[in-house]
Amino acid sequence: GQQLNQSPQSMFIQEGEDVSMNCTSSSIFNTWLWYKQDPGEGPVLLIALYKAGELTSNGRLTAQFGITRKDSFLNISASIPSDVGIYFCAGKNYGGSQGNLIFGKGTKLSVKP
Amino acid sequence: NAGVTQTPKFRVLKTGQSMTLLCAQDMNHEYMYWYRQDPGMGLRLIHYSVGEGTTAKGEVPDGYNVSRLKKQNFLLGLESAAPSQTSVYFCASSATLEAFFGQGTRLTVV
Repeated sequence: GQQLNQSPQSMFIQEGEDVSMNCTSSSIFNTWLWYKQDPGEGPVLLIALYKAGELTSNGRLTAQFGITRKDSFLNISASIPSDVGIYFCAGKNYGGSQGNLIFGKGTKLSVKP
Repeated sequence: NAGVTQTPKFRVLKTGQSMTLLCAQDMNHEYMYWYRQDPGMGLRLIHYSVGEGTTAKGEVPDGYNVSRLKKQNFLLGLESAAPSQTSVYFCASSATLEAFFGQGTRLTVV
């Protein structure tokens, strides 16, 4: 079946540093999504990417849809304590019976003030 | 603004008992999903639905059944609960692209 490899598994950074994480797949996806999960909550959508090569920003967050459609990257600039949480990538194919949304295992981000 | 609502939020079951988790969405979304989240494993897809009356197996479907009799509801059933099914369960829905999640159900099987 489809699998997403997300790295790194965890990061410990100083406040103000930039963060990069990525996700690779053995399959092609039509859509890449990046989510953040706070403790005790459901994942919340941060950025959605819809076509290969697309680069999209949301405040201090920037994500890219890889040209091969098998990978995606998320960058967080100038991290702050509230960035702490688990970040998930997700890939989706849609149309017909292809409705499944597959997640990576997450990157746990810790920020030291 | 209800979005995606899961009930119950917490539940403790004894091994062998059955239960149904309910997911309701008010966004008229076609797609609905059930995931389980375990430490270090991320979100694993159990079953999903691409529309009313349809269901499909995800990555870890064994021990679970689902039904989508109404477009707004997606039910996850455990016929005979096992300790391995102790987990946090999340429901999500989407139109075609972005998926929105419920708050989760924490299930413990003893």
